[in-house]
Amino acid sequence: AQTVTQSQPEMSVQEAETVTLSCTYDTSENNYYLFWYKQPPSRQMILVIRQEAYKQQNATENRFSVNFQKAAKSFSLKISDSQLGDTAMYFCAFMNLRTGNQFYFGTGTSLTVIP
Amino acid sequence: GAGVSQSPSNKVTEKGKDVELRCDPISGHTALYWYRQSLGQGLEFLIYFQGNSAPDKSGLPSDRFSAERTGGSVSTLTIQRTQQEDSAVYLCASSFGRVSYGYTFGSGTRLTVV
Repeated sequence: AQTVTQSQPEMSVQEAETVTLSCTYDTSENNYYLFWYKQPPSRQMILVIRQEAYKQQNATENRFSVNFQKAAKSFSLKISDSQLGDTAMYFCAFMNLRTGNQFYFGTGTSLTVIP
Repeated sequence: GAGVSQSPSNKVTEKGKDVELRCDPISGHTALYWYRQSLGQGLEFLIYFQGNSAPDKSGLPSDRFSAERTGGSVSTLTIQRTQQEDSAVYLCASSFGRVSYGYTFGSGTRLTVV
């Protein structure tokens, strides 16, 4: 079974500072994808960044980057130059290529950006 | 449509009543998913539709839950004889082709059973 763990229920960061959200997962699979989703108060889940497990290079999307440590099964999200609009719930998710299309989500981290 | 549309946005129902939640996926998306998000929890997979294939119902928590997708487009999630533990946000998502690029989610239906 795949499990995704986010050990930080709540975090805060000063505007313009950098924050890192943690995620670990457990799987015996070798081919999979990892995702970070953002859920603002509007409830709509928005894809922030994705990482393919077979790629060693860490994914980057503008101010968002990941630190993917495959051996350690760790997938943290770094947000640089935090903005007020980054305030949201952040969910880490895992998808197993072999079994198909179901995503496994962590319990989320509530991030507050403080002006 | 431009995005995944869900209705109603909020629903309050009495315990024991049946409810129907609707999802209108992005036009052309062949795959549709339902997830449940309970307070303080992550998203829990419920059901998955892909084209004309038989749906993957492995996540439905009980036989009170059912879903259908008509014409490969709109989907309805039905909860019969609602219980208080059914209170949650129900999220629908759709995708086209390779789901490894991620889903597109709707804004969900917040269901409150009183």
